[in-house]
Amino acid sequence: DVKVTQSSRYLVKRTGEKVFLECVQDMDHENMFWYRQDPGLGLRLIYFSYDVKMKEKGDIPEGYSVSREKKERFSLILESASTNQTSMYLCASSLGTRQGYGYTFGSGTRLTVV
Amino acid sequence: AQTVTQSQPEMSVQEAETVTLSCTYDTSESNYYLFWYKQPPSRQMILVIRQEAYKQQNATENRFSVNFQKAAKSFSLKISDSQLGDTAMYFCAFMKHSSGNTPLVFGKGTRLSVIA
Repeated sequence: DVKVTQSSRYLVKRTGEKVFLECVQDMDHENMFWYRQDPGLGLRLIYFSYDVKMKEKGDIPEGYSVSREKKERFSLILESASTNQTSMYLCASSLGTRQGYGYTFGSGTRLTVV
Repeated sequence: AQTVTQSQPEMSVQEAETVTLSCTYDTSESNYYLFWYKQPPSRQMILVIRQEAYKQQNATENRFSVNFQKAAKSFSLKISDSQLGDTAMYFCAFMKHSSGNTPLVFGKGTRLSVIA
């Protein structure tokens, strides 16, 4: 089975800190995604990547950046964490969206910014 | 832009009964894919079922089946013989079929509780 591993399950950071959320997949998937999940709002797309060193903005990219230096790793960066970025962050990967493949998700990182 | 609407924020069902979760979507596309994902309390999102819009036959996976009504832009999920392990958040999602890459668009979710 494909595995998507998020480095932290729970994370507490202070306002203004630079935060790195790491995601690694082990099945050579081209596509990787970062979503944010909030109660009543569902999953909202932050950034995605279809290839190494490529990235595209999703629906809510403000306050975030990403890095994909290797195919298997996709990092989400909060440049200066704020309390409104307290949320559940989900990473996902897929073989290819052109054929309508579904995603494989990680277990999520619950980030609290204090 | 595509939107996905799940009109039932919460639902409950007795164990062994059948429950239907609603999903509607808005798109001008003729070819696309629809998904239902399950997120149990463990938080791991799991793909439940997938439907290709150009296939008229409704997808089924064991106790899970869909009622896909393309003209009505409706994609409901039926869970038969509900089990306690079905307790979870359920998300409906849409993906455009495109020569480019398009990510999944999710609804806001339905929290399902299965009661013993």
